[in-house]
Amino acid sequence: EVQLVESGGALVQPGGSLRLSCAASGLTFSNYDMNWVRQGPGKGLEWLSYISSSTNVIYYADSVKGRFIISRDNAKNSLYLQLNSLRAEDTAVYYCATNRFDYWGQGTLVTVSS
Amino acid sequence: ELVLTQSPGTLSLSPGERVTLSCRASQTFSSRYLAWYQQKPGQPPRLLMYSTSNRATGVPDRFSGSGSGTDFTLTINRLEPEDSAVYYCQQYGYSPFIFGPGTKVDIK
Repeated sequence: EVQLVESGGALVQPGGSLRLSCAASGLTFSNYDMNWVRQGPGKGLEWLSYISSSTNVIYYADSVKGRFIISRDNAKNSLYLQLNSLRAEDTAVYYCATNRFDYWGQGTLVTVSS
Repeated sequence: ELVLTQSPGTLSLSPGERVTLSCRASQTFSSRYLAWYQQKPGQPPRLLMYSTSNRATGVPDRFSGSGSGTDFTLTINRLEPEDSAVYYCQQYGYSPFIFGPGTKVDIK
C-alpha cells in the first residue's frame, strides 16, 4: 500500500522558516516525480512545486518562487519543502502528491501568525 | 497563464439524480492532461479521472468525463449521498499545474 506521510507543520511567525517532509512507502520512490500542493483554510487547492525523480527538473508556482525550495532524498524515500520568508497567506494544509496526483498524503498544517 | 473556471459554484441535488460539472480553460490544452478530483471535508483530494475520460482505480462507473480544447465535463450518474464533496479539475501537462476553484456538490 502506498503511503505518503507529511510532517513538519507548525505555528511560525511571519518572516520565519520551516521545513516540511514527506515520507514515502509502498512505492519505488526514486521512480516517481513528486509535487507539493497546499490548501488554505476554507479555500481551494493550490499547486506549489514539482520535482522530477532525478531532481533535474523543478518547477514552482509564481506565488512561492524564490521563497520555497523543493528537494528530495531518494535514499531516504523522502520529499522536502523548505518554506522561507513566510507570510500570513501561506497558512494552509500542505500536501505531497505523486507525479500524476494519484497518491496524496494526509497533509501537515502550517500556521503563520504572530 | 492558464486559468480554469468551474461552474456552477455550488449544487444541491437529490440521490438518484444526474449532474454535469463544467471546467472551462482560458486557453486550449491537450485533453491528455485534464484531471478531476473529489475532496471531502478533512480529507486529501482523491483522483477521480485522468486524461479527461479515464477513471482512476476504484472509481465507480457512475463517474465519467469528457471534453477537449477548452471545455471539459465531469458527469455523475445516480447520485449517492457519499458523492457530497467538492470537485476540482486540474491541468497537469505543463507548469503551473493549475487547479480550478472547485464545485461543491451537496446531496440531500
